Amino acid sequence: QKEVEQDPGPLSVPEGAIVSLNCTYSNSAFQYFMWYRQYSRKGPELLMYTYSSGNKEDGRFTAQVDKSSKYISLFIRDSQPSDSATYLCAMSDSGNTPLVFGKGTRLSVIA
Amino acid sequence: GAGVSQSPRYKVAKRGQDVALRCDPISGHVSLFWYQQALGQGPEFLTYFQNEAQLDKSGLPSDRFFAERPEGSVSTLKIQRTQQEDSAVYLCASSSTGSKETQYFGPGTRLLVL
Repeated sequence: QKEVEQDPGPLSVPEGAIVSLNCTYSNSAFQYFMWYRQYSRKGPELLMYTYSSGNKEDGRFTAQVDKSSKYISLFIRDSQPSDSATYLCAMSDSGNTPLVFGKGTRLSVIA
Repeated sequence: GAGVSQSPRYKVAKRGQDVALRCDPISGHVSLFWYQQALGQGPEFLTYFQNEAQLDKSGLPSDRFFAERPEGSVSTLKIQRTQQEDSAVYLCASSSTGSKETQYFGPGTRLLVL
């Protein structure tokens, strides 16, 4: 079993839909949780960063961390075709140290 | 400002050739990370530096892989005697000091070993 599990999809939704992406993990020492977006043939771009448990909102994006369940989520409201990309969850136990990534979920938002 | 840059963007090598991949981090960033991303997978950690010190190289898949950052800025990842299984995208990321600093990624070098 990998340290971080993420359903690779693909996930296809109509424009305007609410998208829910999630990851589970096994290492209870993880404290820093991130979501990256990666367009085809580009490097990952940081979307959301959360320390420990709780919710964080930024525009159309909301990240949730539930450490008791070892489960993190990313919600995208009013999804747009430009949101079509691969979404990677990443986490680490200490700050500024190597990240452990999920496999990535490929998302397509259809106009 | 300028982000993380990597060169070359694409590299085709014959099996057995040596390759060198370069990473220019964001100016002033102390930490530099190398990851390997196979097709359809998430990035996997290879090694990282704080300034010129290589703090962890536990992710390097074999002794054919070597990384250096001699002056604490530019870093080079070298792969000797390339094998087909080395084909992947090699990503570099850098971050500033501080425990809550995030990593900024470059565009990657896509290596294909024939």
